[in-house]
Amino acid sequence: TAGITQAPTSQILAAGRSMTLRCTQDMRHNAMYWYRQDLGLGLRLIHYSNTAGTTGKGEVPDGYSVSRANTDDFPLTLASAVPSQTSVYFCASSDSSGVGEQFFGPGTRLTVL
Amino acid sequence: GQNIDQPTEMTATEGAIVQINCTYQTSGFNGLFWYQQHAGEAPTFLSYNVLDGLEEKGRFSSFLSRSKGYSYLLLKELQMKDSASYLCAPMDSNYQLIWGAGTKLIIKP
Repeated sequence: TAGITQAPTSQILAAGRSMTLRCTQDMRHNAMYWYRQDLGLGLRLIHYSNTAGTTGKGEVPDGYSVSRANTDDFPLTLASAVPSQTSVYFCASSDSSGVGEQFFGPGTRLTVL
Repeated sequence: GQNIDQPTEMTATEGAIVQINCTYQTSGFNGLFWYQQHAGEAPTFLSYNVLDGLEEKGRFSSFLSRSKGYSYLLLKELQMKDSASYLCAPMDSNYQLIWGAGTKLIIKP
């Protein structure tokens, strides 16, 4: 079982360009999450989805959008990238929107120049 | 506001025991998770506590005191592979995880 996959592994992006980070899970988990991780800071929640068809804003949603058309996929889009969005992005899923451990993808390292 | 406090870095010797402390303040509480994260990798689940007391899982144990807003992770018989960051993450009333910055544990031979 693959678990959660993310693509790309890493990317260098020019400021002002748009980009979509892909996330796919094969565990049939209802809940999915996008985090960013910056040095010296804890993981910060960008957006989440408790079930297909619904999304919600996390702690740092500005500049990002998500969609959840089906159970497996949860893409994160940066409409117009800025250097402050340079970070490592992790996608995660859990089998319920309540208590349940989160399983993480391998991450995408994004550099915005 | 919501706040997590854990030491930035700790050093321990192979074969020894280390305790990583975490204090937290959250809006509501639905349990506390500990994750391990090796450098350049994704976090992986270690433990979950929702009731007060000690949960033991092999070489790792986790303790929770809800009244004190306090948890610790205890690692026994340390191995070099335990060198990693350990993330404390309580779950708030909205069932969202609030993540600490993590404790980098360095194991020396």
